[in-house]
Amino acid sequence: QVQLVESGGGVVQPGRSLRLSCAASGFTFSSYGMHWVRQAPGKGLEWVAVIWSNGINKYYADSVKGRFTFSRDNSKNTLSLQMNSLRAEDTAVYYCAREIGPFSGFDYWGQGVLVTVSS
Amino acid sequence: QSALTQPPSASGSPGRSVTISCTGTSSDIGGYDYVSWYQQHPGKAPRLIIHEVTKRPSGVPNRFSGSKSGNTASLTVSGLQAEDEADYYCHSYAGSNNWVFGGGTKLTVL
Repeated sequence: QVQLVESGGGVVQPGRSLRLSCAASGFTFSSYGMHWVRQAPGKGLEWVAVIWSNGINKYYADSVKGRFTFSRDNSKNTLSLQMNSLRAEDTAVYYCAREIGPFSGFDYWGQGVLVTVSS
Repeated sequence: QSALTQPPSASGSPGRSVTISCTGTSSDIGGYDYVSWYQQHPGKAPRLIIHEVTKRPSGVPNRFSGSKSGNTASLTVSGLQAEDEADYYCHSYAGSNNWVFGGGTKLTVL
Protein backbone atom coordinates (compact mmCIF):
# COMPACT_ATOMS: atom_id res chain seq x y z
CA GLN A 1 0.00 0.00 0.00
CA VAL A 2 1.05 3.59 -0.55
CA GLN A 3 2.99 5.06 2.36
CA LEU A 4 4.57 8.44 2.90
CA VAL A 5 6.62 8.92 6.07
CA GLU A 6 8.05 12.29 7.01
CA SER A 7 10.97 12.85 9.36
CA GLY A 8 13.35 15.59 10.45
CA GLY A 9 11.06 17.91 12.37
CA GLY A 10 11.95 19.60 15.62
CA VAL A 11 12.59 22.87 17.37
CA VAL A 12 14.90 25.35 15.67
CA GLN A 13 15.87 28.95 16.36
CA PRO A 14 14.83 31.76 14.01
CA GLY A 15 17.29 32.19 11.17
CA ARG A 16 18.56 28.63 11.39
CA SER A 17 18.02 25.72 8.98
CA LEU A 18 16.26 22.37 9.05
CA ARG A 19 15.90 19.55 6.54
CA LEU A 20 12.77 17.47 6.25
CA SER A 21 12.62 14.10 4.52
CA CYS A 22 9.76 12.02 3.17
CA ALA A 23 10.18 8.32 2.39
CA ALA A 24 7.75 6.90 -0.16
CA SER A 25 6.77 3.30 -0.79
CA GLY A 26 4.05 1.20 -2.39
CA PHE A 27 3.88 2.99 -5.74
CA THR A 28 6.03 3.95 -8.73
CA PHE A 29 7.51 7.02 -7.10
CA SER A 30 9.24 8.34 -10.23
CA SER A 31 5.88 8.68 -12.01
CA TYR A 32 4.27 11.19 -9.66
CA GLY A 33 4.54 14.84 -8.84
CA MET A 34 4.93 15.43 -5.12
CA HIS A 35 4.08 18.32 -2.85
CA TRP A 36 4.69 19.76 0.60
CA VAL A 37 1.74 21.27 2.44
CA ARG A 38 1.90 22.82 5.88
CA GLN A 39 -0.57 23.61 8.63
CA ALA A 40 0.21 26.10 11.39
CA PRO A 41 -1.18 25.15 14.81
CA GLY A 42 -4.95 25.61 14.82
CA LYS A 43 -4.91 27.02 11.28
CA GLY A 44 -5.74 25.88 7.77
CA LEU A 45 -3.72 24.17 5.08
CA GLU A 46 -1.12 26.07 3.05
CA TRP A 47 0.49 24.75 -0.12
CA VAL A 48 4.28 25.06 0.09
CA ALA A 49 5.97 23.51 -2.94
CA VAL A 50 5.75 21.03 -5.81
CA ILE A 51 8.36 18.94 -7.58
CA TRP A 52 7.55 17.26 -10.84
CA SER A 53 8.24 13.58 -11.40
CA ASN A 54 11.42 14.41 -13.31
CA GLY A 55 12.89 16.14 -10.28
CA ILE A 56 13.88 19.13 -12.39
CA ASN A 57 10.85 21.39 -12.26
CA LYS A 58 10.18 22.84 -8.82
CA TYR A 59 7.85 25.63 -7.77
CA TYR A 60 7.26 27.36 -4.45
CA ALA A 61 4.72 29.45 -2.62
CA ASP A 62 5.74 33.09 -2.37
CA SER A 63 5.99 32.72 1.41
CA VAL A 64 8.94 30.30 1.13
CA LYS A 65 10.49 31.18 -2.24
CA GLY A 66 14.22 31.74 -1.96
CA ARG A 67 14.40 30.10 1.48
CA PHE A 68 13.15 26.55 0.88
CA THR A 69 14.54 24.03 -1.61
CA PHE A 70 12.63 20.92 -2.67
CA SER A 71 14.48 17.93 -4.08
CA ARG A 72 13.84 14.26 -4.78
CA ASP A 73 15.87 11.11 -5.34
CA ASN A 74 13.95 8.77 -7.61
CA SER A 75 16.49 6.00 -7.04
CA LYS A 76 15.80 6.05 -3.29
CA ASN A 77 12.12 7.06 -3.36
CA THR A 78 12.76 10.02 -1.11
CA LEU A 79 11.91 13.71 -0.94
CA SER A 80 13.78 16.44 0.89
CA LEU A 81 12.79 19.92 1.90
CA GLN A 82 15.72 22.12 2.88
CA MET A 83 14.42 25.01 4.93
CA ASN A 84 16.76 27.96 5.49
CA SER A 85 16.35 31.32 7.23
CA LEU A 86 13.46 29.95 9.24
CA ARG A 87 10.94 32.34 10.74
CA ALA A 88 8.41 32.01 13.54
CA GLU A 89 5.65 31.94 10.92
CA ASP A 90 7.13 28.77 9.44
CA THR A 91 6.02 26.91 12.57
CA ALA A 92 3.65 24.21 11.34
CA VAL A 93 3.02 20.56 10.73
CA TYR A 94 4.55 19.75 7.36
CA TYR A 95 2.98 17.06 5.18
CA CYS A 96 4.35 15.48 2.02
CA ALA A 97 1.63 14.50 -0.41
CA ARG A 98 1.26 12.74 -3.75
CA GLU A 99 -0.75 14.30 -6.53
CA ILE A 100 -3.35 12.04 -8.11
CA GLY A 101 -2.56 13.56 -11.49
CA PRO A 102 -0.98 16.72 -12.95
CA PHE A 103 -2.47 19.85 -11.35
CA SER A 104 -5.07 17.73 -9.54
CA GLY A 105 -5.75 16.76 -5.96
CA PHE A 106 -3.44 15.09 -3.45
CA ASP A 107 -4.53 11.51 -2.85
CA TYR A 108 -1.97 10.29 -0.32
CA TRP A 109 -0.50 12.20 2.59
CA GLY A 110 2.12 11.46 5.19
CA GLN A 111 1.35 11.64 8.88
CA GLY A 112 3.03 15.04 9.15
CA VAL A 113 6.03 16.33 11.03
CA LEU A 114 6.06 19.31 13.38
CA VAL A 115 8.52 22.14 12.87
CA THR A 116 8.69 24.73 15.64
CA VAL A 117 10.69 27.90 15.07
CA SER A 118 11.33 29.56 18.40
CA SER A 119 14.13 31.12 20.37
CA GLN B 1 -2.07 34.11 -4.02
CA SER B 2 -5.05 34.68 -1.70
CA ALA B 3 -6.75 31.80 0.03
CA LEU B 4 -10.10 30.61 -1.24
CA THR B 5 -13.08 31.73 0.85
CA GLN B 6 -15.06 29.18 2.84
CA PRO B 7 -17.59 29.69 5.63
CA PRO B 8 -15.92 28.98 8.97
CA SER B 9 -18.66 26.65 10.09
CA ALA B 10 -21.58 24.57 8.85
CA SER B 11 -23.95 22.16 10.54
CA GLY B 12 -26.71 19.69 9.89
CA SER B 13 -28.71 16.95 11.54
CA PRO B 14 -28.03 13.27 10.96
CA GLY B 15 -29.57 12.09 7.71
CA ARG B 16 -29.87 15.60 6.29
CA SER B 17 -27.71 17.29 3.68
CA VAL B 18 -25.30 20.18 3.99
CA THR B 19 -23.48 22.17 1.31
CA ILE B 20 -20.19 23.97 1.85
CA SER B 21 -19.18 26.71 -0.58
CA CYS B 22 -15.73 27.76 -1.70
CA THR B 23 -15.27 31.03 -3.55
CA GLY B 24 -12.24 31.94 -5.58
CA THR B 25 -11.51 33.92 -8.71
CA SER B 26 -11.20 33.42 -12.44
CA SER B 27 -7.50 32.74 -11.83
CA ASP B 28 -8.14 29.63 -9.77
CA ILE B 29 -11.54 27.97 -9.40
CA GLY B 30 -13.04 29.75 -12.38
CA GLY B 31 -10.08 29.07 -14.62
CA TYR B 32 -9.52 25.34 -14.12
CA ASP B 33 -11.46 22.16 -13.42
CA TYR B 34 -8.91 21.20 -10.76
CA VAL B 35 -10.91 21.73 -7.61
CA SER B 36 -10.45 19.25 -4.78
CA TRP B 37 -11.96 18.79 -1.35
CA TYR B 38 -10.38 17.27 1.75
CA GLN B 39 -11.76 16.01 5.03
CA GLN B 40 -9.58 16.35 8.11
CA HIS B 41 -10.34 14.90 11.53
CA PRO B 42 -8.49 16.35 14.56
CA GLY B 43 -4.87 15.27 14.71
CA LYS B 44 -5.07 13.45 11.39
CA ALA B 45 -3.75 14.10 7.91
CA PRO B 46 -6.21 15.42 5.32
CA ARG B 47 -8.12 12.87 3.23
CA LEU B 48 -8.99 13.53 -0.42
CA ILE B 49 -12.73 13.16 -0.97
CA ILE B 50 -13.28 14.99 -4.28
CA HIS B 51 -10.90 15.86 -7.09
CA GLU B 52 -11.32 17.53 -10.48
CA VAL B 53 -14.57 19.12 -9.26
CA THR B 54 -16.75 16.00 -9.21
CA LYS B 55 -14.60 12.86 -9.07
CA ARG B 56 -14.58 10.65 -5.98
CA PRO B 57 -11.50 8.55 -5.21
CA SER B 58 -12.03 4.88 -4.59
CA GLY B 59 -13.46 4.24 -1.13
CA VAL B 60 -15.15 7.62 -0.70
CA PRO B 61 -18.91 7.20 -0.14
CA ASN B 62 -21.20 8.60 -2.80
CA ARG B 63 -22.77 10.74 -0.07
CA PHE B 64 -20.00 13.21 -0.93
CA SER B 65 -20.43 15.17 -4.16
CA GLY B 66 -18.82 18.21 -5.71
CA SER B 67 -19.82 20.86 -8.21
CA LYS B 68 -18.68 24.18 -9.61
CA SER B 69 -20.33 27.26 -11.06
CA GLY B 70 -18.18 30.14 -12.19
CA ASN B 71 -15.73 31.05 -9.46
CA THR B 72 -17.51 29.06 -6.74
CA ALA B 73 -17.16 25.38 -5.94
CA SER B 74 -19.41 23.44 -3.60
CA LEU B 75 -19.22 20.24 -1.58
CA THR B 76 -22.46 18.53 -0.64
CA VAL B 77 -22.61 15.89 2.06
CA SER B 78 -25.87 13.93 1.94
CA GLY B 79 -27.25 11.60 4.59
CA LEU B 80 -25.07 13.17 7.28
CA GLN B 81 -23.47 10.75 9.69
CA ALA B 82 -21.70 11.38 12.98
CA GLU B 83 -18.33 10.49 11.45
CA ASP B 84 -18.71 13.29 8.91
CA GLU B 85 -18.01 15.79 11.67
CA ALA B 86 -14.62 17.20 10.65
CA ASP B 87 -12.89 20.14 8.99
CA TYR B 88 -13.30 20.43 5.23
CA TYR B 89 -10.92 22.24 2.92
CA CYS B 90 -11.31 23.19 -0.72
CA HIS B 91 -8.26 23.36 -2.96
CA SER B 92 -7.66 24.62 -6.47
CA TYR B 93 -4.93 24.83 -9.03
CA ALA B 94 -4.18 28.53 -9.55
CA GLY B 95 -2.01 28.47 -12.64
CA SER B 96 1.77 28.78 -13.08
CA ASN B 97 2.37 25.80 -10.84
CA ASN B 98 0.67 27.30 -7.83
CA TRP B 99 -2.09 25.82 -5.72
CA VAL B 100 -4.34 27.45 -3.15
CA PHE B 101 -6.45 26.14 -0.27
CA GLY B 102 -9.55 27.50 1.34
CA GLY B 103 -9.51 28.56 4.97
CA GLY B 104 -11.50 25.50 6.05
CA THR B 105 -15.03 24.83 7.26
CA LYS B 106 -15.80 23.05 10.52
CA LEU B 107 -18.77 20.76 9.95
CA THR B 108 -20.83 19.90 13.02
CA VAL B 109 -23.34 17.07 12.98
CA LEU B 110 -26.04 18.13 15.40
